Amino acid sequence: AQSVTQLDSHVSVSEGTPVLLRCNYSSSYSPSLFWYVQHPNKGLQLLLKYTSAATLVKGINGFEAEFKKSETSFHLTKPSAHMSDAAEYFCVVTQMFSGGYNKLIFGAGTRLAVHP
Amino acid sequence: GAGVSQSPSNKVTEKGKDVELRCDPISGHTALYWYRQRLGQGLEFLIYFQGNSAPDKSGLPSDRFSAERTGESVSTLTIQRTQQEDSAVYLCASSLEAESSYNEQFFGPGTRLTVL
Repeated sequence: AQSVTQLDSHVSVSEGTPVLLRCNYSSSYSPSLFWYVQHPNKGLQLLLKYTSAATLVKGINGFEAEFKKSETSFHLTKPSAHMSDAAEYFCVVTQMFSGGYNKLIFGAGTRLAVHP
Repeated sequence: GAGVSQSPSNKVTEKGKDVELRCDPISGHTALYWYRQRLGQGLEFLIYFQGNSAPDKSGLPSDRFSAERTGESVSTLTIQRTQQEDSAVYLCASSLEAESSYNEQFFGPGTRLTVL
């Protein structure tokens, strides 16, 4: 079965400093991996996705993530945090089922706080 | 175009009452998913629809939970005899089709259910 572990429940950074949100996955086959962001009182939004193409994936708002198979990691980074980045971030892996359909398996989330 | 919509946005009910939550997917999306998000946690998969059939109900936590979908349109999630542990945000997502890992799921804003 597929699973994801987000190593930090809370991360706090100063505005303008780098962001690192860590995610490790477990998968019995080549996974598809995603990062979603959830701002307060708003719906989930896809930040970026890895689907076995380039291992360095660029997403919206300056975020990127690198798929490292040897480390089973898919950490999310941003060079310079902005106040508007404060939100909950979810690392997600897909689980495939017979019949071809898949469902999303979510990590527990990392709450990012950005201080002035 | 319109995204996924859910109603009501908030629902407060008394223990033991039945509730119905509604999801309107993006037009043309054949796949529809229900998730539950408890406070401070990631999303838990509940049920998946392909068209109006539900090949995967494995996430429904008990027989008090049921869901149906009319064609490739509206879905309702029904919780009978609600309990306090049912309090959570219930999220709906839709995608074009589920036979690939690459189809993005678009999420609605959720229904916040509070059981007193």
